[in-house]
Amino acid sequence: AQSVAQPEDQVNVAEGNPLTVKCTYSVSGNPYLFWYVQYPNRGLQFLLKYITGDNLVKGSYGFEAEFNKSQTSFHLKKPSALVSDSALYFCAVRFPGAGSYQLTFGKGTKLSVIP
Amino acid sequence: DAGVIQSPRHEVTEMGQEVTLRCKPISGHNSLFWYRQTMMRGLELLIYFNNNVPIDDSGMPEDRFSAKMPNASFSTLKIQPSEPRDSAVYFCASSLTSGSEGTQYFGPGTRLTVL
Repeated sequence: AQSVAQPEDQVNVAEGNPLTVKCTYSVSGNPYLFWYVQYPNRGLQFLLKYITGDNLVKGSYGFEAEFNKSQTSFHLKKPSALVSDSALYFCAVRFPGAGSYQLTFGKGTKLSVIP
Repeated sequence: DAGVIQSPRHEVTEMGQEVTLRCKPISGHNSLFWYRQTMMRGLELLIYFNNNVPIDDSGMPEDRFSAKMPNASFSTLKIQPSEPRDSAVYFCASSLTSGSEGTQYFGPGTRLTVL
């Protein structure tokens, strides 16, 4: 079955420390992978995506993600966390296939950056 | 571009009343998605349209829910009659899918409270 998982409901990190938000997927073929961020009382904002090419993808606000095909993972990372990064983060996958435009979202990971 | 526009931003209604949520996608985007977000169930895809045609409505919870897209710049999600369990945040998203990777851009959402 095709799925996307975010194994951590919450991640706490001290300001200035590196952060990682995990995402794994299960899909046959080559998926398109996305990260979105949701601030309180706001819609989801697109951060970055992996389609093909370099496994390390850089996105908005200093975030990056690494596509690892052998581990079927797409973890979100940032070298130095800011308090303003505190938000809900969603990983999403678009499964390959003609006419398949849906994104399947993970359940979300709440990131708290502690001053 | 103004991004995806949703109205109203907040809606409070009484059980049994009809509720209509509105969405204006980003100009030029040919796919539109309606999502519902709750604490218990996370982000759920309700329905999506491609070129104004409903492609997948399997996520629509019941016959009380209906969605239309009469033209490329407008969509509605209607609940009739509304029930307290429909209380949630409803998001509209749009994407350009012709030959692209399908990045979805979300509106700010409509927070619906059914009393």
